[in-house]
Amino acid sequence: GQQLNQSPQSMFIQEGEDVSMNCTSSSIFNTWLWYKQDPGEGPVLLIALYKAGELTSNGRLTAQFGITRKDSFLNISASIPSDVGIYFCAGQPNAGNNRKLIWGLGTSLAVNP
Amino acid sequence: GAGVSQTPSNKVTEKGKYVELRCDPISGHTALYWYRQSLGQGPEFLIYFQGTGAADDSGLPNDRFFAVRPEGSVSTLKIQRTERGDSAVYLCASSDGAGAYTGELFFGEGSRLTVL
Repeated sequence: GQQLNQSPQSMFIQEGEDVSMNCTSSSIFNTWLWYKQDPGEGPVLLIALYKAGELTSNGRLTAQFGITRKDSFLNISASIPSDVGIYFCAGQPNAGNNRKLIWGLGTSLAVNP
Repeated sequence: GAGVSQTPSNKVTEKGKYVELRCDPISGHTALYWYRQSLGQGPEFLIYFQGTGAADDSGLPNDRFFAVRPEGSVSTLKIQRTERGDSAVYLCASSDGAGAYTGELFFGEGSRLTVL
């Protein structure tokens, strides 16, 4: 099925560094969501974006809904060991129908203490 | 429990066998979703229930897959004549009424299915 293009595929950083990852789609999306998945767990929602240009923060996390509506990025500032995990972007091209999300392949983050 | 509960957590079966995976959503959540996640992939939508009815089953890969939610709470995903390609983690999620619009889904830990 359709999936989003997410990059980078993996990142290895030092504790305290900032991290940036992004997601692109060939079609316009009306919602962008960022989820985090820890090993053996289900994904957990971090940030949701519903409007083109929207910039939203959640603690050390900041995400933006691209103006073109075809991309989104997630930044993590001052990384800590518990940031380790797989980050997924997810979205929905149909307004008001976030039941059937389309997901990226994930960005695996490793933090070296 | 407070979260979405899925059983079994692990299931190993032989090719051709029948499998049932169970999901107990968060109490009061009207919407329930099944996703499938293969190794190194993001979740892939299978089916969505609003109450007892399957509102969207367009993600079910073929007629070997079927899901029910008879009382609007617990759901069972049923896979007949399992194939090796069915091996994956099957994730269940639930949401309240707003979740279908916000995209805020609450996931369980998943049921890992291995077909030998």
